[in-house]
Amino acid sequence: DQQVKQNSPSLSVQEGRISILNCDYTNSMFDYFLWYKKYPAEGPTFLISISSIKDKNEVGRFTVFLNKSAKHLSLHIVPSQPGDSAVYFCAASYSGAGSYQLTFGKGTKLSVIP
Amino acid sequence: KAGVTQTPRYLIKTRGQQVTLSCSPISGHRSVSWYQQTPGQGLQFLFEYFSETQRNKGNFPGRFSGRQFSNSRSEMNVSTLELGDSALYLCASTGAQGQVGRTQYFGPGTRLTVL
Repeated sequence: DQQVKQNSPSLSVQEGRISILNCDYTNSMFDYFLWYKKYPAEGPTFLISISSIKDKNEVGRFTVFLNKSAKHLSLHIVPSQPGDSAVYFCAASYSGAGSYQLTFGKGTKLSVIP
Repeated sequence: KAGVTQTPRYLIKTRGQQVTLSCSPISGHRSVSWYQQTPGQGLQFLFEYFSETQRNKGNFPGRFSGRQFSNSRSEMNVSTLELGDSALYLCASTGAQGQVGRTQYFGPGTRLTVL
C-alpha cells in the first residue's frame, strides 16, 4: 500500500512560470512533510519542509502548502528556472514512530523549458 | 559543515558475494538511516541507527544488515548478493531533536551493480 503518492510522473513548465508539484498521503499519523530534489545517480537534496501544525512554509522561490483535511500537499516554484529541472520527491514521517524514517512518493520529473 | 559522505561511490559484485557500504554522517548528527533506490520500487527505507542501536527496520530480508559505531559512522552489509540488489544505496543523517531536527540530509549514494 503506497502511503505517499505523487500521481504525476512528469511535468513540463516554461521558464519564468509557476511549477506546481502535488503529493497525496493516506496515513493520517504523518505530521512532518519534506520535499527533496534529485538528479540521477546523486543523493536527494533537501528543499523545504512543513510541520502538520502549519499550512504554509516559504523559502525563497519555494513554497509548500499543506491541506490536512484533504491529506494533500503541494510544492510551488516561482519563477521556474531551467536549473530546477530534476526529479522531485515528496516524503513524510511521523513522530510517534520513534524514528526519523521517511516514506517517499515515487517522484515527479520536472522539466523547465527555456 | 561537511555533508554526508558515502564510500565507495560505485561497486560491481557478482551474485553470491557480500558487500559492505560505509557512511559518515554530518558532524554532530547521531541518527543514520539507509535507503535503497531502484527504478521499480523508488526510495525504500532499510533501517535507522541512533546511538549505535537499530531503532527501526524496513521490510527487507535478513541479508541486509547494518551497524553504527560510537562516532556515529555507519556501515551496511548485504550478504549473498542477488541480481535484484542492484540499486543506489543512500545514507541520510539527522541532527538535533525537534521539528527541524527531523530533516534527513542525504549522501551521494553508492551505486551497486550485481552481475
